Amino acid sequence: EVQLLESGGRLVRPGGSLRLSCATSGFTFSNHAISWVRQTPKRGLQWVSSSGPETHYAASVKGRFTVSRDNYRNTVYLQMNSLTVDDTGMYYCAKDLRAGANSWDLDHWGQGTLVTVSS
Amino acid sequence: DIVMTQSPGSLTVSLGERATINCRSSQSILYTSNNMNYLAWYQQKPRQPPRLLIFWASTRQSGVPDRFSGSGSGTDFTLTITSVQAEDVAVYYCQQYYNSPPTFGQGTKLEI
Repeated sequence: EVQLLESGGRLVRPGGSLRLSCATSGFTFSNHAISWVRQTPKRGLQWVSSSGPETHYAASVKGRFTVSRDNYRNTVYLQMNSLTVDDTGMYYCAKDLRAGANSWDLDHWGQGTLVTVSS
Repeated sequence: DIVMTQSPGSLTVSLGERATINCRSSQSILYTSNNMNYLAWYQQKPRQPPRLLIFWASTRQSGVPDRFSGSGSGTDFTLTITSVQAEDVAVYYCQQYYNSPPTFGQGTKLEI
């Protein structure tokens, strides 16, 4: 059974940093890209970043967020720096359906971890 | 970025009726070299993550009931739920994965 489990979300002050983790199991991790998608009531679902054969970032986080993956631990990390209130939201990690290239057709999602940026 | 626009924003149907949700992309998401539309539909129930229903605009994901179907090509797409059931109450999103950044529609809330 494919599983993804996010962790690391919490309350953080503006300007602060946070590292999210996405632990996975049940599939060949090295074959699939993993995306981070955040959700807020105001902006809905917003893709943030993906880690696969290539690394991609949304313009709003480029230069502040860094995605990495540990193929030994089957885990993806999202390092978030210089956080602003606009980064508040539920952060999901999700697996690409297709193996190989970054494809962004997301067939399995974690339950999410809540990031709140507030003073 | 490709903008995805869904309509209506909310939809109320009776049990057993048909529900139709529309999605339009700001540019074609049909890749001509393989004739595939890079369009997915997701269902999100309260306090749950999104669930993939349809990919390639019309291919049902494993385990998805056949009352869910997708259609369309180019820039205009439709998700149809024939004979809506109580468990279909959710928000439905379309998403393009034609290019980066992948983008989502704003969602359509389905109520009974």
